[in-house]
Amino acid sequence: QVQLVESGGGVVQPGRSLRLSCAASGFTFSDYTMHWVRQAPGKGLEWVAFILSDGSNKYYADSVKGRFTISRHNSKNTLSLQMNSLRTEDTAVYYCATESGDYWGQGTLVTVSS
Amino acid sequence: SYELTQPSSVSVSPGQTARITCSGDMLAKKYVRWFQQKPGQAPVLVIYKDTERPAGIPERFSGSTSGTTVTLTISGAQVEDEAAYYCYSPADNYVFFGGGTKLTVL
Repeated sequence: QVQLVESGGGVVQPGRSLRLSCAASGFTFSDYTMHWVRQAPGKGLEWVAFILSDGSNKYYADSVKGRFTISRHNSKNTLSLQMNSLRTEDTAVYYCATESGDYWGQGTLVTVSS
Repeated sequence: SYELTQPSSVSVSPGQTARITCSGDMLAKKYVRWFQQKPGQAPVLVIYKDTERPAGIPERFSGSTSGTTVTLTISGAQVEDEAAYYCYSPADNYVFFGGGTKLTVL
């Protein structure tokens, strides 16, 4: 069955970096545009970034543009999110999801705090 | 800037019809999806392309559209439908979520 498993979350100080990964299985990963979506504690869903199936184009929310980089490794069925210059307002559960919205991971918590 | 506007909360009694709206200037030209999210869980797609229901989603969930407003209707809401609901729409090279609506069924 389809599985998306995020990893890499944790506690990090403001200004530092963190890299999230999403391991995909059960479907042809290289056929799908993939998204990162986050949810701050007690808040709504916020789109972060998406990347086309072949990795040729990447798009970002204004709130993370210039600080976050989305990438993918189709031969390894892996999606990544490199997060630099982290801010306290980046604290959230980060989900990876397919473009269709049919499949989501369980999320990984990133806490930015001094 | 482009926004999707939802009511913050909707309350119904079990068996009643719940309607959750999502408004945005571009919705007349863009498809909307609806997601259900229960506490501590990942979102679940309940409606796509404004009116289509994914396999496994109960028939009581339906979507409709009128101009720049789309509506998620839950006919005969059940206690298990209590959740947050989010509309979602792409716009050019960006993606928007509505602010979310907390549906209470009691």
